[in-house]
Amino acid sequence: AAGVIQSPRHLIKEKRETATLKCYPIPRHDTVYWYQQGPGQDPQFLISFYEKMQSDKGSIPDRFSAQQFSDYHSELNMSSLELGDSALYFCASGQRRGRPHYGDEQFFGPGTRLTVL
Amino acid sequence: SQQGEEDPQALSIQEGENATMNCSYKTSINNLQWYRQNSGRGLVHLILIRSNEREKHSGRLRVTLDTSKKSSSLLITASRAADTASYFCATDAGMNTGFQKLVFGTGTRLLVSP
Repeated sequence: AAGVIQSPRHLIKEKRETATLKCYPIPRHDTVYWYQQGPGQDPQFLISFYEKMQSDKGSIPDRFSAQQFSDYHSELNMSSLELGDSALYFCASGQRRGRPHYGDEQFFGPGTRLTVL
Repeated sequence: SQQGEEDPQALSIQEGENATMNCSYKTSINNLQWYRQNSGRGLVHLILIRSNEREKHSGRLRVTLDTSKKSSSLLITASRAADTASYFCATDAGMNTGFQKLVFGTGTRLLVSP
């Protein structure tokens, strides 16, 4: 079965540079979630999109922005990178349309490991 | 503060033994999910249990949910070395919108020795 695709898998950047992470959800999934997992930490919610509109926002720095496109893929743009941005960035997808309001499983991609030097 | 906290933080057992991990949370929920993560890799969805369910099975996995105690447990029976990983519980913080941002627990590191 198709899974969530993230690219790139690894990314090395210098401080103050920018980075763009991409996420391709499972086909027919309409919701995308972004999470950040620091070393030895649990994943923290950043932002989510449903039908190309932002649906919720978590602890996402103002230096970061994201969007979901017409083909449902999503991009997380990170500017003025700091050392503390080094982390695993996960994208998860889910299917909300037509579902009851109990929510549903979120399926995670393999993550992008960002290292800021 | 963490919505979910897991106990124990680390667990070391022998192959064939059972492993039990516990998760506690603070707010009301719609569902609770368990994930496995091998070191530095992706999160693999294991099982979802809804707030109106008390127990759920999937293969060697058994999950229980006690909403009165705001706690859940994950039991892995007849463990294998390949079960070595970190296990996280995640809750949806009870938002009745269908947009369930997940709040993760701190995770349990399970080591299964051959």
